[in-house]
Amino acid sequence: KQEVTQIPAALSVPEGENLVLNCSFTDSAIYNLQWFRQDPGKGLTSLLLIQSSQREQTSGRLNASLDKSSGRSTLYIAASQPGDSATYLCAVRGIYNFNKFYFGSGTKLNVKP
Amino acid sequence: GAVVSQHPSRVICKSGTSVKIECRSLDFQATTMFWYRQFPKQSLMLMATSNEGSKATYEQGIEKDKFLINHASLTLSTLTVTSAHPEDSSFYICSASALFETSPYTDTQYFGPGTRLTVL
Repeated sequence: KQEVTQIPAALSVPEGENLVLNCSFTDSAIYNLQWFRQDPGKGLTSLLLIQSSQREQTSGRLNASLDKSSGRSTLYIAASQPGDSATYLCAVRGIYNFNKFYFGSGTKLNVKP
Repeated sequence: GAVVSQHPSRVICKSGTSVKIECRSLDFQATTMFWYRQFPKQSLMLMATSNEGSKATYEQGIEKDKFLINHASLTLSTLTVTSAHPEDSSFYICSASALFETSPYTDTQYFGPGTRLTVL
């Protein structure tokens, strides 16, 4: 069974810092990996989606990498802002049932002004 | 584009009552919708997969008679929590997977804003 782990569980940084969020998964037979943002009491906003054949994706200040063989992904946030404060979730979909997401427990990020 | 809505956004009910939550894809057709549950400080866990016109597929440990799912059209799925109890209090989120032939949106799921259920 696929297990997704995110480290750290919580992170507090001053505004302007660059930071890295980590995600690891146990089964490398994935269809793709997706990073989401969740604000308190809200649904999910998709940030980046990386197909299994890709190594990274970039959107603005966000860069996500994928190393499928080692079961790892990182989300890099450059020049963090208070508006980046949220919980970041990574999720993988397996090749045998690509409709099913396996979510990590998230990293709660607080960017202090 | 690719917006998914949920209604209601928040509901408080008494123990023993039933609650219906709607999930709609607003600008695309979805043959498949998914229902997730999220307890405080935990991640999302898939409860069931809902296919238009057929019975839902439930994950292990989810009681199908307690969580009734109906996917009557390509844009609407409903989740009914029957005889709700305080332990059913949670954040319920749906997502929808687009039908390739009718929309340009493929390869991802689009999530609704969630419904906060509180059972007293």
